[in-house]
Amino acid sequence: ETGVTQSPTHLIKTRGQQVTLRCSSQSGHNTVSWYQQALGQGPQFIFQYYREEENGRGNFPPRFSGLQFPNYSSELNVNALELDDSALYLCASSLDHDAEAFFGQGTRLTVV
Amino acid sequence: GESVGLHLPTLSVQEGDNSIINCAYSNSASDYFIWYKQESGKGPQFIIDIRSNMDKRQGQRVTVLLNKTVKHLSLQIAATQPGDSAVYFCAEVNQGGKLIFGQGTELSVKP
Repeated sequence: ETGVTQSPTHLIKTRGQQVTLRCSSQSGHNTVSWYQQALGQGPQFIFQYYREEENGRGNFPPRFSGLQFPNYSSELNVNALELDDSALYLCASSLDHDAEAFFGQGTRLTVV
Repeated sequence: GESVGLHLPTLSVQEGDNSIINCAYSNSASDYFIWYKQESGKGPQFIIDIRSNMDKRQGQRVTVLLNKTVKHLSLQIAATQPGDSAVYFCAEVNQGGKLIFGQGTELSVKP
């Protein structure tokens, strides 16, 4: 186990709704990165948070937003859900922004 | 643009045989690569990494080879076991620790 926990593990939402996914980073880690993994594909970088500030963003629209809290846990928020948002959302934490990343088990989001 | 891709989507091997999984990358400036293993229902798990100042690195039963001339990586697994069955990804690590993953190769080990 990596010590990175994500909740919930599974989620079903309706198109147009909003969703919040949560991630608890490994103890001592100040960096959290979020990835989207569509079925049969490799994970795609969404964004990274380092010491509560966004530190890089991938090619995702603004309706994907995030937060990092003082305890370095993090949230991923997605507004106006679309069917193509259905995917496994992975959180990875690291000791620093360029250190080895440890992944959680992911949240499986299904948009219907 | 940056991309990391894999040559084969699936690989089936007999238990005890060696496995070789390949990966091509397009960014010649890339200097750090990681191989991940992802089992069903789990997140990617670090296997082994390599920096561009090396062309080979060995771990326990795994070896990564890097050919910078043709921008190619491979992961070799010795004496493949049923527990090695998973999807394997190579990833390029850019500045700031962002991972750029390829599509993945599904390894299936036949007993």
